[in-house]
Amino acid sequence: DAKTTQPPSMDCAEGRAANLPCNHSTISGNEYVYWYRQIHSQGPQYIIHGLKNNETNEMASLIITEDRKSSTLILPHATLRDTAVYYCIVSAKKSSGDKLTFGTGTRLAVRP
Amino acid sequence: DTAVSQTPKYLVTQMGNDKSIKCEQNLGHDTMYWYKQDSKKFLKIMFSYNNKELIINETVPNRFSPKSPDKAHLNLHINSLELGDSAVYFCASSLPAGNSPLHFGNGTRLTVT
Repeated sequence: DAKTTQPPSMDCAEGRAANLPCNHSTISGNEYVYWYRQIHSQGPQYIIHGLKNNETNEMASLIITEDRKSSTLILPHATLRDTAVYYCIVSAKKSSGDKLTFGTGTRLAVRP
Repeated sequence: DTAVSQTPKYLVTQMGNDKSIKCEQNLGHDTMYWYKQDSKKFLKIMFSYNNKELIINETVPNRFSPKSPDKAHLNLHINSLELGDSAVYFCASSLPAGNSPLHFGNGTRLTVT
């Protein structure tokens, strides 16, 4: 699976959009981009994933560049409860289950 | 109605002991996993089972033995516990389709003294 690079930490003000970048320059054509987050002392939580089109759900939006070498997770109106470590993961489609390799992620701090 | 539940939440034990961690999911998923998160917060896959069959074994020591009595349960038994086994262990489940997301439990914090 391709490696990802994320900034170690970011912060944003409550109510503003949080834009978390991720580089995955060696991504292969069959690899998806996944985003998970881990709030302190909890298990990782799935946020969103995509292949090449932009995706949006009730939690966030995922913008993938045309060359697929980078992506951005957007939390449109960050709240204090969004403070967490955010993981960007690239993984190929497998026949049974996903083998996700978590990196060090970005620690997002949402300020009041 | 927790989707993926693990017990116990905390486990403190001495070196050399044998312990088990239980995991159950009520999502109807066919695939279950064990992940380990060490003190540096790296989260690494240990095992994956699909419909009670071992799919992934990431060179975990033989002291770790997963057991899947049915597709809703994946328990982790650890023999002869060592100090380095101290970590948070997360169970997860997913559908077998290649791009289905993982649902994680809230972890079991194991401390070996």
